Amino acid sequence: DTAVSQTPKYLVTQMGNDKSIKCEQNLGHDTMYWYKQDSKKFLKIMFSYNNKELIINETVPNRFSPKSPDKAHLNLHINSLELGDSAVYFCASSQEGFTGELFFGEGSRLTVL
Amino acid sequence: AQSVTQLDSHVSVSEGTPVLLRCNYSSSYSPSLFWYVQHPNKGLQLLLKYTSAATLVKGINGFEAEFKKSETSFHLTKPSAHMSDAAEYFCVTQGTGRRALTFGSGTRLQVQP
Repeated sequence: DTAVSQTPKYLVTQMGNDKSIKCEQNLGHDTMYWYKQDSKKFLKIMFSYNNKELIINETVPNRFSPKSPDKAHLNLHINSLELGDSAVYFCASSQEGFTGELFFGEGSRLTVL
Repeated sequence: AQSVTQLDSHVSVSEGTPVLLRCNYSSSYSPSLFWYVQHPNKGLQLLLKYTSAATLVKGINGFEAEFKKSETSFHLTKPSAHMSDAAEYFCVTQGTGRRALTFGSGTRLQVQP
């Protein structure tokens, strides 16, 4: 069983479209995250949810909207996609108390044409 | 704010020789520091973490790192490289008061046969 799973793994779409990436974790963790990795491999936090409550919201365009229906799921919806949104998006989770150990999914590679 | 700087973007070693990946940190107090590894097309995995209990930290797969306050360094080492060690390595620190990690720019480790 995959601990943190993301779908889809690959996503190719046109500028202006709206797309979603889904994430599920079966570790029983209470905190989930979205990170963006750009073409230079630089990783940056986008959002974090703790028990369905948004606790971190970095400077991300409001075209990006996270949604957490329950503590095991954190989805990312992106409106009006732009070329600069092309990246690998990683979902991660961590347990209560935050020891610094994040469990990452395998990433969703988004390509905007 | 805490930050980390990885001094080499790319390191190449021969199989069986030692590995040294360099990381310097910037913090006004005792930081939490981590090393994560990312194998090609995979998510990130925690290698080891420093949380002030001991300056020499042992991790998985034979890796270790030494926290040196006088040098503000947290270099990652391994006595003997294996082909399977080829990956991207990230030095990471924890954002102040937040359940989020701040990643360095990454070091790509190449292992030659």
